[in-house]
Amino acid sequence: AIQMTQSPSSLSASVGDRITITCRASQHIKNYLGWYQQGPGKAPKLLIYATSILERGVPSRFSGSGSGIDFTLTISSLQPEDFATYYCLQDYDYPRTFGQGTRVEVK
Amino acid sequence: VHLVESGGGLVKPGGSLRLSCVASGFTFSDYSMNWVRQTPGGGLEWIAHISDNSHYIYYLDSVKGRFTISRDYAKNSLLLQMNSLGIEDTGIYYCVRGVVSFGVKFDTWGQGTLVTVSS
Repeated sequence: AIQMTQSPSSLSASVGDRITITCRASQHIKNYLGWYQQGPGKAPKLLIYATSILERGVPSRFSGSGSGIDFTLTISSLQPEDFATYYCLQDYDYPRTFGQGTRVEVK
Repeated sequence: VHLVESGGGLVKPGGSLRLSCVASGFTFSDYSMNWVRQTPGGGLEWIAHISDNSHYIYYLDSVKGRFTISRDYAKNSLLLQMNSLGIEDTGIYYCVRGVVSFGVKFDTWGQGTLVTVSS
């Protein structure tokens, strides 16, 4: 199975900060990677798919990049509603695998 | 577009449970579906996939032979039969729609149903 290593596991930031979360695949997955946001007590929500395509309705402060093995989620200016946990997910092969998650907390 | 899971509950180790997910707001037979669970530690784990026509089914190795994913097209429902449950199967189970778009995106999630395996 493809392993997805996500870092950091948590980070503290302030409103307005630019933050970056990374995901590394254990093998090449082309651009078959998505990012999901999960607020407390809520189901995950799709933010980005195919590495860099923003899901409809997702604010443009979210962006994704990368290819092959290394991928990045960037939030350009953190907003109060962005404090949540973020997961990457590879859809290159089965079993689908998620990163361990990154919890974004208030500094 | 809406997914609503049900069927979770408390079950003893070795027991069985059947989860259901009713889909609405879209043509159920046009989309692949998945089950994803969230462990007590918070991590997300993909469990199973079924294609739009039920011809292609995939499972996580740890549930293979114990869990069965299926679809009831007449009821617009996704099902997950879980047998020989272990403590490690405890978690929130989400029904998730898969959309083919430059890969596959999990664009719609249900609210989840809690499964607790405990003696």
